[in-house]
Amino acid sequence: EIVLTQSPGTLSLSPGERATLSCRASQSVSSSYLAWYQQKPGQAPRLLIYGASSRATGIPDRFSGSGSGTDFTLTISRLEPEDFAVYYCQQYGSSTGYTFGQGTKLEIK
Amino acid sequence: QITLKESGPTLVKPTQTLTLTCTFSGFSLSTSGVGVGWIRQPPGKALEWLALIYWDDDKRYSPSLKSRLTITKDTSKNQVVLTMTNMDPVDTATYYCAHSILGGYYYGMDVWGQGTTVTVSS
Repeated sequence: EIVLTQSPGTLSLSPGERATLSCRASQSVSSSYLAWYQQKPGQAPRLLIYGASSRATGIPDRFSGSGSGTDFTLTISRLEPEDFAVYYCQQYGSSTGYTFGQGTKLEIK
Repeated sequence: QITLKESGPTLVKPTQTLTLTCTFSGFSLSTSGVGVGWIRQPPGKALEWLALIYWDDDKRYSPSLKSRLTITKDTSKNQVVLTMTNMDPVDTATYYCAHSILGGYYYGMDVWGQGTTVTVSS
């Protein structure tokens, strides 16, 4: 079973700063099968990135994804007040299904 | 416009079986590549994927919960049903269903329902 480990657990930054969130897989994951989500309190998750680097419909270009193999990154270039939330990575594997990471909370410093 | 909505009991007793229904619109679950999945989130905790059913009736389950889960679809009613047996208080969570597309590429879970909260207590 593939385990996704996200770091840091909590990231404290100020609006306007750059955020870098990490997702590490316990074994190699196809880039085609890696997604990122944003979740705000009381809301359902929102798809941000699929295929490791493709932005979903309507997602601002300050959000970008990168990585391959076991190491993936979500970058938010200039934080807006509405970006403070919890972020999850997710991978698909034919034998393991759709595993989520444990999440990174992005909070205002 | 794709929408999904979860429905089911808000309270179940330990050892009972939970049945949740996802009613959707704006897409067909008979279209190649389309799937509907279930995900849950205990209070204050992370998302946990449970199960997903594809357009061709292929089904995938979380390895850790596979023995307790059954997912089915009714294409004519635009519904997907998840059953979870032997409920326990640790299964207390918000349960979501979501639309997904998988081909040679995984396009993510792009539309989610609002979620339904299930409490397991005697």
